[in-house]
Amino acid sequence: GNSVTQMEGPVTLSEEAFLTINCTYTATGYPSLFWYVQYPGEGLQLLLKATKADDKGSNKGFEATYRKETTSFHLEKGSVQVSDSAVYFCALKARLGGKLQFGAGTQVVVTP
Amino acid sequence: EPEVTQTPSHQVTQMGQEVILRCVPISNHLYFYWYRQILGQKVEFLVSFYNNEISEKSEIFDDQFSVERPDGSNFTLKIRSTKLEDSAMYFCASLRESFSNQPQHFGDGTRLSIL
Repeated sequence: GNSVTQMEGPVTLSEEAFLTINCTYTATGYPSLFWYVQYPGEGLQLLLKATKADDKGSNKGFEATYRKETTSFHLEKGSVQVSDSAVYFCALKARLGGKLQFGAGTQVVVTP
Repeated sequence: EPEVTQTPSHQVTQMGQEVILRCVPISNHLYFYWYRQILGQKVEFLVSFYNNEISEKSEIFDDQFSVERPDGSNFTLKIRSTKLEDSAMYFCASLRESFSNQPQHFGDGTRLSIL
């Protein structure tokens, strides 16, 4: 079946550091890939998405590229801020059927 | 921008009692979902609902659970005879079309605490 694997956290960074969160997936066919962010005490917000190979999703300085050859969708940000402290979830949606399958989530802590 | 709304934000219930979690999806959406997140763990799919019937459910969604769209706007999750392990954050989500590549829209969740 389909699955998503994320690097474990917490990831602790200083402000303005470079952030990478690894995400790999297993899926039949060509899923759509998403990153969701959950700020403390809040719900899930879509951060970015990519729907086909080599697509790059971007939002709020975050980027992720859909790499079919490595089945990966790593999240990157060049210069993090304290306000980026949150839990980040990688997720996939198969072409047929709308349910999302989430990775375990990676907590990111950015210190001043 | 339209939002998915969930009520209540926090529900405290005695073990063995029934609880109903409520969601109002975005008005022109056709597909509805419930997910669960036990504290500190991953978000898990429970059930999807379309055209007034369940289209898919996970192994978590056993006979203790049921969903309903009673009036064309609300989408409810009922848990009968709650157990301690039902304590979690429950998220509702909606989507206009399941085949589209658009993301699901999530509510802010209901934190369910079973005592």
